[in-house]
Amino acid sequence: EAQVTQNPRYLITVTGKKLTVTCSQNMNHEYMSWYRQDPGLGLRQIYYSMNVEVTDKGDVPEGYKVSRKEKRNFPLILESPSPNQTSLYFCASSPLGTRVNQPQHFGDGTRLSIL
Amino acid sequence: EDKVVQSPLSLVVHEGDTVTLNCSYEVTNFRSLLWYKQEKKAPTFLFMLTSSGIEKKSGRLSSILDKKELFSILNITATQTGDSAVYLCAVIFRGGGADGLTFGKGTHLIIQP
Repeated sequence: EAQVTQNPRYLITVTGKKLTVTCSQNMNHEYMSWYRQDPGLGLRQIYYSMNVEVTDKGDVPEGYKVSRKEKRNFPLILESPSPNQTSLYFCASSPLGTRVNQPQHFGDGTRLSIL
Repeated sequence: EDKVVQSPLSLVVHEGDTVTLNCSYEVTNFRSLLWYKQEKKAPTFLFMLTSSGIEKKSGRLSSILDKKELFSILNITATQTGDSAVYLCAVIFRGGGADGLTFGKGTHLIIQP
């Protein structure tokens, strides 16, 4: 079954403790992306990746890192999480390496609480 | 600054009513507009619109794009309680080195029995 898998689904942690949210897709998509969703602000893009070893900042990249060592995986890293990063996070992927003009497939989301 | 604006932000109607959701955009180098439905989990894809005036239809849902006036509408006829969700509009535009994707804030639709 074609899917985008995020882990964990829920996480409560404390300020400053490094965490990683994993994202994996089994559709051989070139393009992958991370979003955060906050009430009243909609979905905002954090980082995206056009292919292996190619990543770029989205609209709200501060406080986040990503890596794309393999095509299927695109982890989101919070080196020193802060309470303002409490949010619902979505990973998404779509085909076509140089264009994102395709509907994106979303993971089920990760709800992150930073205390 | 590129932006996507959806209206209304929330809407409560009765089962059986017809609703129209709006999405206007201001982006340079527009490529396409997408509609998603989000219930409790991830957004699920509904439509992708690239050309003006061509209606896309799926059951009771339909959507159309006006590239001259820079907006799209999503229609839902004979609404059912299962249509209750947040409906998201997103626009793909050609950026510097890659295409960009910007979401609106969504319309929260509630269908009352």
